[in-house]
Amino acid sequence: SQQGEEDPQALSIQEGENATMNCSYKTSINNLQWYRQNSGRGLVHLILIRSNEREKHSGRLRVTLDTSKKSSSLLITASRAADTASYFCATDAWTNFGNEKLTFGTGTRLTIIP
Amino acid sequence: DTAVSQTPKYLVTQMGNDKSIKCEQNLGHDTMYWYKQDSKKFLKIMFSYNNKELIINETVPNRFSPKSPDKAHLNLHINSLELGDSAVYFCASRYAQGGTKYFGPGTRLTVL
Repeated sequence: SQQGEEDPQALSIQEGENATMNCSYKTSINNLQWYRQNSGRGLVHLILIRSNEREKHSGRLRVTLDTSKKSSSLLITASRAADTASYFCATDAWTNFGNEKLTFGTGTRLTIIP
Repeated sequence: DTAVSQTPKYLVTQMGNDKSIKCEQNLGHDTMYWYKQDSKKFLKIMFSYNNKELIINETVPNRFSPKSPDKAHLNLHINSLELGDSAVYFCASRYAQGGTKYFGPGTRLTVL
C-alpha cells in the first residue's frame, strides 16, 4: 500500500481563509516533501522538512512534522484563488538496498472559492 | 529555460503498439526517475537511473524499459501497449540524495 495518505481528500474554502492538509505515513523517513500539482500540469516542489526538524516555514506555507506520530501537516495561510491545486506529500526513505525512494501519497484536492 | 522536459506532451495510440517517451534535464543531475500517475492521481515510482545504472526497479512489467544514452537523458520505451498503461508519466531528476527532485511536465498516454 502507498506510504503517504493525505487527509482530507478534498477541501474547499473561501479565499483568505487558511487551509490545512494532513499526511500520514508508515515507515521511517529521511525527509518529507510537499508538492503542488495544478490541473493537467506537472509537480512543483513546495517545501522539504527533514526528519530531525519539527516545523518549517516558506512564505505562506508552514509545514510540521511529528515523527512519533508519523504525520505531517501543510498550512497555507491567507489562501488565494491561485492556490487551487492538488497537494501531495512525499516521503523520502531508504529502501532495503540502500537506495533512496520518494513515495507519494494520494493527494488533497484544494479549491479556493473567490 | 526548462529544467526537465518531456516529449511528447500527449500520446494517443492503439493497443499493441510500441512507443517511447523522451526526457531530458539540463540541471547536471546525476539521478533521473520515471513515475506513473494513475487516474486516481496516485504517483508511483517506476525506475531510477544513477550514472547509467538502474538502481530502483519497482515491479513494473518488462514491457517497460528505461534507456539512458547519457546522464542528461532517460527515455521510457513501452512495448505492446495495454489499456492499463493509460496514465500520466512523469520524468524527474535529482542532484544529490535527499535533495529536491525536479519534475517534468508529464506525458499523458492514452491507449485505445
